[in-house]
Amino acid sequence: AQRVTQPEKLLSVFKGAPVELKCNYSYSGSPELFWYVQYSRQRLQLLLRHISRESIKGFTADLNKGETSFHLKKPFAQEEDSAMYYCALSEDDYKLSFGAGTTVTVRA
Amino acid sequence: ETGVTQTPRHLVMGMTNKKSLKCEQHLGHNAMYWYKQSAKKPLELMFVYNFKEQTENNSVPSRFSPECPNSSHLFLHLHTLQPEDSALYLCASSQRGTSGADTQYFGPGTRLTVL
Repeated sequence: AQRVTQPEKLLSVFKGAPVELKCNYSYSGSPELFWYVQYSRQRLQLLLRHISRESIKGFTADLNKGETSFHLKKPFAQEEDSAMYYCALSEDDYKLSFGAGTTVTVRA
Repeated sequence: ETGVTQTPRHLVMGMTNKKSLKCEQHLGHNAMYWYKQSAKKPLELMFVYNFKEQTENNSVPSRFSPECPNSSHLFLHLHTLQPEDSALYLCASSQRGTSGADTQYFGPGTRLTVL
């Protein structure tokens, strides 16, 4: 069963506009959630993880256990934010279940 | 080279061929992973090695055979593959800690095409 759902396959925003990528998960234990990003011609890399509670490149994500969500947000999108974003859920500390990904395009 | 490296970067093989994918991590990590990334499907975990011991085999067909000779190297041996096995194969590594989930570091992937 799909544990991580990213409902938006494609997301297009204008530069300077807010951007929000949705992620919902299904997990009965205490979830650990991540956002990974893949820029054009680069490898998949960690963007942020919920336990760090930090902002990376202006992005934040809050774990909402009531809504089982971990949406990624940035108040002002930049062109360099154009990339593929994956939400991931950690099971048993090392197994990662990935969502299908959202391609973000930031237009000038 | 630093981080996680994978060779070859591209591979085209026939269904009767035998080939191997190689992954090497230069991060001093103790866990390594193989993932499959197909078009239109989420990234799928195939195998996990923790301290060189295989701890996960996600119902992967036997035509895929992993090997982890030491904590820095991971191989994926391929034989009699099917066209639907064409995909991007990603290797990752992490440092298993005592608490919390690991951050995984990914290689660039091998683009495999099975004819």
